[in-house]
Amino acid sequence: SQKIEQNSEALNIQEGKTATLTCNYTNYSPAYLQWYRQDPGRGPVFLLLIRENEKEKRKERLKVTFDTTLKQSLFHITASQPADSATYLCAPKADNNAGNMLTFGGGTRLMVKP
Amino acid sequence: DAGVIQSPRHEVTEMGQEVTLRCKPISGHNSLFWYRQTMMRGLELLIYFNNNVPIDDSGMPEDRFSAKMPNASFSTLKIQPSEPRDSAVYFCASTFGLANTGELFFGEGSRLTVL
Repeated sequence: SQKIEQNSEALNIQEGKTATLTCNYTNYSPAYLQWYRQDPGRGPVFLLLIRENEKEKRKERLKVTFDTTLKQSLFHITASQPADSATYLCAPKADNNAGNMLTFGGGTRLMVKP
Repeated sequence: DAGVIQSPRHEVTEMGQEVTLRCKPISGHNSLFWYRQTMMRGLELLIYFNNNVPIDDSGMPEDRFSAKMPNASFSTLKIQPSEPRDSAVYFCASTFGLANTGELFFGEGSRLTVL
């Protein structure tokens, strides 16, 4: 069965460092992958989308990579700030199923300490 | 521009009672999704609609759950009768298109506690 794995343990880093979060998937051939941010008590908010033919995507301090051979996406936040503390969710999407159904990973909580 | 609006934000009820959660999607969006989030199971898709028609309800846990979308600007998720294991945060999300790569816009969620 399809499986999406994100590190369930919280990632604690020091302000200014680069945070790297991992999303692994199995039994999937995603055409693209989305990353979302979720703050406590709020709904997820879309951050970035990367397609299978893109190796890397950047947006300000964010960088996402997509390795279809390793079946993995990495999400990087450079020069991290305490305001980046949140849970980050990945959602791979296969093109072969109908509609916009997105299945999410369990998320990784990031804590950036000043 | 108003985002996805959900109500109530919090609901506490007793086992056996009927619960109705409401969602107003973003105007112009034609796909609507209901998700449930718990610590144990994460964010699970329950059902999704396109142009007010249910497309996939395979995530609905059991017959106690039902969802409707009578028009493009309103959807309900009903649980009858509710059970303590239904306690979770229920999110509604919307987007435009059926098979595009568009982002989902989530509401702030309805936190349900069943005693």
